[in-house]
This record gives sequence, structure tokens and C-alpha cells, in this order.
Amino acid sequence: DAGVTQSPTHLIKTRGQHVTLRCSPISGHKSVSWYQQVLGQGPQFIFQYYEKEERGRGNFPDRFSARQFPNYSSELNVNALLLGDSALYLCASSLVPYDLPLHFGNGTRLTVT
Amino acid sequence: KNEVEQSPQNLTAQEGEFITINCSYSVGISALHWLQQHPGGGIVSLFMLSSGKKKHGRLIATINIQEKHSSLHITASHPRDSAVYICAARPNSGGSNYKLTFGKGTLLTVNP
Repeated sequence: DAGVTQSPTHLIKTRGQHVTLRCSPISGHKSVSWYQQVLGQGPQFIFQYYEKEERGRGNFPDRFSARQFPNYSSELNVNALLLGDSALYLCASSLVPYDLPLHFGNGTRLTVT
Repeated sequence: KNEVEQSPQNLTAQEGEFITINCSYSVGISALHWLQQHPGGGIVSLFMLSSGKKKHGRLIATINIQEKHSSLHITASHPRDSAVYICAARPNSGGSNYKLTFGKGTLLTVNP
């Protein structure tokens, strides 16, 4: 079975643009969570989705939004990009919310110039 | 102050040495997760534990709930163990169960 897949792997955007990142969970996993990891720091929780509903949100501005589709894949959208949004964006899936261990994708490296 | 603190931040060892990475947390937790992150960014789950000790190959994880402390040990370290090791705590405070809190990671370099 394929693991968690994320696309694209790398992305370069300019300030003010918007970006859409995609994540496909492990087959059978219904919960997807998103994390932002700035260089030298641990991941920071952004969103969790389960059964297409938002179940949790971290301390991120409204420029960040996400959704989950009927096939449990997910998109993370970031509008009006700032230089500080440059980071590795990680997606993780689990069978249900609160479930450990999490299974992570390889991430999308976003660079905002 | 981060709710999850790791030490040391950086660790350099010679091949074969015994490695210990520490993780302390300030809130009550229901589980703690040890993760390994390779230079490319991919994260691999190593252990999830809520009490006692777990062992997998050369890796051992322990947790002391009363002392709010966990350790990850690597026996007979090898250069391929070089990575960032991250601990993440799942709080037991009701609706925040989804919100893992991560440490900043420990960068381990094992030299041949």
C-alpha cells in the first residue's frame, strides 16, 4: 500500500500569491492533519480533518484554509503569501482523530520570495 | 516556553556509541510519539507510548508519566542513524486530543 503522498514536493511562489497543497492519506485512513515546519523548529499544527469536517485548527491566520474530499484526500490553501510562510508543509493521516501513530508524507517545501 | 522540551538540541557521536535523547513535557498527556526526520524532510514514526518501555531493534524508548519525561536511546549507533529526532505529546485535556505538541527536535550526527 502507498503511504501518505503529498504534491508538489517543491514550490516557489512570490509574495501575495496563493498556493494549494495536496495530500492523499493511506488507504483506509479517514483523518488528515496538516503541519507547518519552519527550518530548525518542530512541526506546528495547522488543521485536522475527519469525515470531511474540520475537527481542529491551530493558531494560524484566516489566510490558511483546508478541506477534505469524499475520498479523504485533502487540500491546504494559503492566500496572500508572506515571506514567513516559507516552510515545509507536512500532511499526516490516521484511521481516526486522536489516533497514534501518525503517518506522515514527505512534505511540500514552499519557498516564498 | 514550549510545552515540550527536548535536549540536547544537537548531538554528535562516534559510531558505536550509546545515544540518549531526552524529552520533557509540562502538561498531562495521554501518549507520547517519537519520530525520526531525515534530511529530505520525510518523517517516520518510531514509537508511540503511554507508559513503560518499548524496544525495536537498537532503539529503546522509555517514559515516566509521574516525572513527565521520556527518553529515546540508540544502542551501537551507526552513521545511518543521523537524523533529527522529534518527540510529540498528545495532551489528555478533552477536546485538544487532536493537537499534538512537538518538540523542536534533536539533530543527531553519528560519525564513522
